Amino acid sequence: NAGVTQTPKFQVLKTGQSMTLQCAQDMNHEYMSWYRQDPGMGLRLIHYSVGAGITDQGEVPNGYNVSRSTTEDFPLRLLSAAPSQTSVYFCASSYRGHTEAFFGQGTRLTVV
Amino acid sequence: DQQVKQNSPSLSVQEGRISILNCDYTNSMFDYFLWYKKYPAEGPTFLISISSIKDKNEDGRFTVFLNKSAKHLSLHIVPSQPGDSAVYFCAASEGTGANNLFFGTGTRLTVIP
Repeated sequence: NAGVTQTPKFQVLKTGQSMTLQCAQDMNHEYMSWYRQDPGMGLRLIHYSVGAGITDQGEVPNGYNVSRSTTEDFPLRLLSAAPSQTSVYFCASSYRGHTEAFFGQGTRLTVV
Repeated sequence: DQQVKQNSPSLSVQEGRISILNCDYTNSMFDYFLWYKKYPAEGPTFLISISSIKDKNEDGRFTVFLNKSAKHLSLHIVPSQPGDSAVYFCAASEGTGANNLFFGTGTRLTVIP
């Protein structure tokens, strides 16, 4: 089992560019989420999904888009990157009804 | 406004002694509380949790205490080991489902050999 796999691990973007952060899990978890971690802020929820075809917004959704076409994959799209989106992004997954989440290793994104 | 707060950014403890990490929350609707441990360049890993119907949960060297009236929880690590050196995040949720966790800002624990 690979668990939760995020790619890429590092990325530098120019302001205005778009990109997709990939997240895949092989544990057949129903729930998947994206968080961002900023210095002094802890982790904050961007978007989440409770199953294929179902997504919803978290605390800080602006500038990001998600879709969930399969149980395994939950990509996060940055539509037009801004320096304020410089952060470390974590994808997480869990079973329905379980509060324990499994996290990927993170993607460190820098927008210049 | 931060709903989950960890007011101590760092803590240093001697090996073998007790480490106590604290966490406060403001939302009285939270009913599940978790602690995560994070090493550099890795994702957070689940450590221990407690539901609001309990006031204590133990797992080996780790014990979490919940004081609902004070909206406070703490993580005790006894005895502390150098491998425990990491950043510890407190998290809370309303209902089950890890899709809506609110995290504190973390406490960096250093266990001195």
